[in-house]
Amino acid sequence: DTGVSQDPRHKITKRGQNVTFRCDPISEHNRLYWYRQTLGQGPEFLTYFQNEAQLEKSRLLSDRFSAERPKGSFSTLEIQRTEQGDSAMYLCASSLLAGPQYFGAGTRLSVL
Amino acid sequence: AQSVSQHNHHVILSEAASLELGCNYSYGGTVNLFWYVQYPGQHLQLLLKYFSGDPLVKGIKGFEAEFIKSKFSFNLRKPSVQWSDTAEYFCAVTPTGGGNKLTFGTGTQLKVEL
Repeated sequence: DTGVSQDPRHKITKRGQNVTFRCDPISEHNRLYWYRQTLGQGPEFLTYFQNEAQLEKSRLLSDRFSAERPKGSFSTLEIQRTEQGDSAMYLCASSLLAGPQYFGAGTRLSVL
Repeated sequence: AQSVSQHNHHVILSEAASLELGCNYSYGGTVNLFWYVQYPGQHLQLLLKYFSGDPLVKGIKGFEAEFIKSKFSFNLRKPSVQWSDTAEYFCAVTPTGGGNKLTFGTGTQLKVEL
């Protein structure tokens, strides 16, 4: 499968713990995006990278959230000191410059 | 900032009925428009896109959408739905020439009954 890959698919954690998600984009895509989706809502933009540079961050991305794309390939999204409100589906997408975005299956986070 | 409004949250149709899902956006400049579909248990998939040119765009599985600039609308249509079209449909917009971040509507849950 050469689509966008996300790991893990599900993550259950206790409040206050740190979690890290990984996204592997489509190999030739230079842009990578993170979105968050809660029940009954469409995905909401969090941040995006062009190659290894993080070019934009949403105001939704609090100081507890950090994303990296160190070599311009895969990306990680870390949430520190998780809160129950962080429970959501975290989606990754990739694109070739400003072309259409292709999404992964997402990581479902449940914070107990 | 841009926003997207999808008027119908839940739609139930019988097989072979025609479908039209509404999408309106709010943004002062030029935009790229998308419809994504999420089948049960699957990830978001691109259904069709509008970047420029012919305002009537055709996508996969017999879907089409028409961009009406004066109405800020990008409605999705299909002449005859199938049971397999049961899914959630999301309209999305991004300003042209920008960072390409998508703003999504809240989605329309379509159920097609046999």
